[in-house]
Amino acid sequence: SQKIEQNSEALNIQEGKTATLTCNYTNYSPAYLQWYRQDPGRGPVFLLLIRENEKEKRKERLKVTFDTTLKQSLFHITASQPADSATYLCALGNNAGNMLTFGGGTRLMVKP
Amino acid sequence: NAGVMQNPRHLVRRRGQEARLRCSPMKGHSHVYWYRQLPEEGLKFMVYLQKENIIDESGMPKERFSAEFPKEGPSILRIQQVVRGDSAAYFCASSPSPGALPYEQYFGPGTRLTVT
Repeated sequence: SQKIEQNSEALNIQEGKTATLTCNYTNYSPAYLQWYRQDPGRGPVFLLLIRENEKEKRKERLKVTFDTTLKQSLFHITASQPADSATYLCALGNNAGNMLTFGGGTRLMVKP
Repeated sequence: NAGVMQNPRHLVRRRGQEARLRCSPMKGHSHVYWYRQLPEEGLKFMVYLQKENIIDESGMPKERFSAEFPKEGPSILRIQQVVRGDSAAYFCASSPSPGALPYEQYFGPGTRLTVT
């Protein structure tokens, strides 16, 4: 069955450092991958989308890579800030429809 | 431009009652998705609708759950005869009108259902 794995343990880093979050998947051939941010008690907020034929995408301090051979995406936040503290979700989709399959999320804590 | 709106934000039901969750998509969006997030778990897809059509309901439980998106008005997720295991956060998302896939989904704030 399809499986999307994100590190369930919280990632604690110091302000100013680069945070790197991992999303691994098995038994899936996604056409695209999306990253969302979710704060407690709120709905997910879209951050970045990357297609299967793209290796890397950037948006301000965010960078996403997508390796379909390794079946892995890496999500980087450079110059991290305490305001970046949240849970980050990766989600995969295919061209059969637009429904997303989400990973369990990784909680990021940026300490000042 | 208002975002995706969901109401109520919190809903408490006793076992056996019905729960009705409403979702108004963003203006101009004709695709609606419902997801469920159980405590300490990830978001799980339930159903994908367009106006007056259910496109994909592969994530919906076979019994007690139904969804609609009428021509006028919000999308409704209906849970009949609720049980404690239905307690969760239910999120609605919308995306723009048909075009080339893929497109991002815009999520509402969720409805937190508690079954007592």
